[in-house]
Amino acid sequence: DVKVTQSSRYLVKRTGEKVFLECVQDMDHENMFWYRQDPGLGLRLIYFSYDVKMKEKGDIPEGYSVSREKKERFSLILESASTNQTSMYLCASTSGSGYEQYFGPGTRLTVT
Amino acid sequence: AQSVTQLGSHVSVSEGALVLLRCNYSSSVPPYLFWYVQYPNQGLQLLLKYTTGATLVKGINGFEAEFKKSETSFHLTKPSAHMSDAAEYFCAVRGSNYKLTFGKGTLLTVNP
Repeated sequence: DVKVTQSSRYLVKRTGEKVFLECVQDMDHENMFWYRQDPGLGLRLIYFSYDVKMKEKGDIPEGYSVSREKKERFSLILESASTNQTSMYLCASTSGSGYEQYFGPGTRLTVT
Repeated sequence: AQSVTQLGSHVSVSEGALVLLRCNYSSSVPPYLFWYVQYPNQGLQLLLKYTTGATLVKGINGFEAEFKKSETSFHLTKPSAHMSDAAEYFCAVRGSNYKLTFGKGTLLTVNP
């Protein structure tokens, strides 16, 4: 079975802090994604990566950056956390020949 | 460009009743379509997918969906609801670069 893990299930940070969310997949997938999920808005794509050191902006990249130094790991960085970044963050991966995305359990981030 | 509309943000059914969750999509390319389920405080789990071939697709937990190109629809059904089906359901369409566009979700409540 594909396994996608995220470093924290719950995280509380203060405004202005730098925040790192880590995602690891164990199936050698080329493509990895970061989404945020908010009530009534569904999932919105922040960034995705289709190879090591490659990234593309999604629909809502403002206030975020990403890093992919190794194929299995995709990090989401909030350079200076703000209260409007309080949300559920979901990581996903898919292979180069696959169809569906496989999701991690999510990180619920609260910025106070 | 792709988009997904889920009709009804909240659907309530009685245990044993038919479940029908509606999804309409638009896509500039032949669509790959997905239904995901999310239980509280968890990530998304794939229920079923349509890629090519048979338009009636069967998934896990007794769910199925029918791709209707003329109606641009991919509605999710289950003949008899169980209490364990209570969750949020997301319809998605795949676009370029393996990106998924999600609907805003439908929360299914099952009443005893």
